[in-house]
Amino acid sequence: DTEVTQTPKHLVMGMTNKKSLKCEQHMGHRAMYWYKQKAKKPPELMFVYSYEKLSINESVPSRFSPECPNSSLLNLHLHALQPEDSALYLCASSQDPPPVGRNEQFFGPGTRLTVL
Amino acid sequence: EDQVTQSPEALRLQEGESSSLNCSYTVSGLRGLFWYRQDPGKGPEFLFTLYSAGEEKEKERLKATLTKKESFLHITAPKPEDSATYLCAVQSRRVTGGGNKLTFGTGTQLKVEL
Repeated sequence: DTEVTQTPKHLVMGMTNKKSLKCEQHMGHRAMYWYKQKAKKPPELMFVYSYEKLSINESVPSRFSPECPNSSLLNLHLHALQPEDSALYLCASSQDPPPVGRNEQFFGPGTRLTVL
Repeated sequence: EDQVTQSPEALRLQEGESSSLNCSYTVSGLRGLFWYRQDPGKGPEFLFTLYSAGEEKEKERLKATLTKKESFLHITAPKPEDSATYLCAVQSRRVTGGGNKLTFGTGTQLKVEL
């Protein structure tokens, strides 16, 4: 099973709202990732968690707040977003450290976020 | 800094017309090169990982190859359902913290027509 699930599939929010995106995997992976993807662009890394600790923050604005409650779950809390934050938000996971020949990341289906 | 360049940006093929997509890269010690397929509005789907020059992997109509500077994704006798954006990504051996940071190319948008 190489499934990463994300909820919700679609989210529309105003600039004053607070919302959360959720991601779950049951592959026993200890690294989890948040990416942002704009139309016709590649995924852009936002955060990496390794063993439930934040290991990489790619200078993401503080209106995005990640959380890793346990090894299977990853949340992204959203507050006071701007219209330019509208994008597809992707979650991914991988083994960490990766065994030889197994360091690929598996992506979820994404959450389509629209900020009005 | 790691860099990945994919070409062409877009490719239109007739069904059955074989072709290749290119991924050129520069990286500080390659830890892995990855190919993903992405359908519109969906997450990337993992296809292949290549680790060393000379390595090849196949899956149905797709075959990925790797040299020290580039990778090719060969599509043999494509079908309309192969239409998608194909993304290439690299991972370097530089240690930047836990997890595996990928550098993506901008992708090749493939359209296969009847």
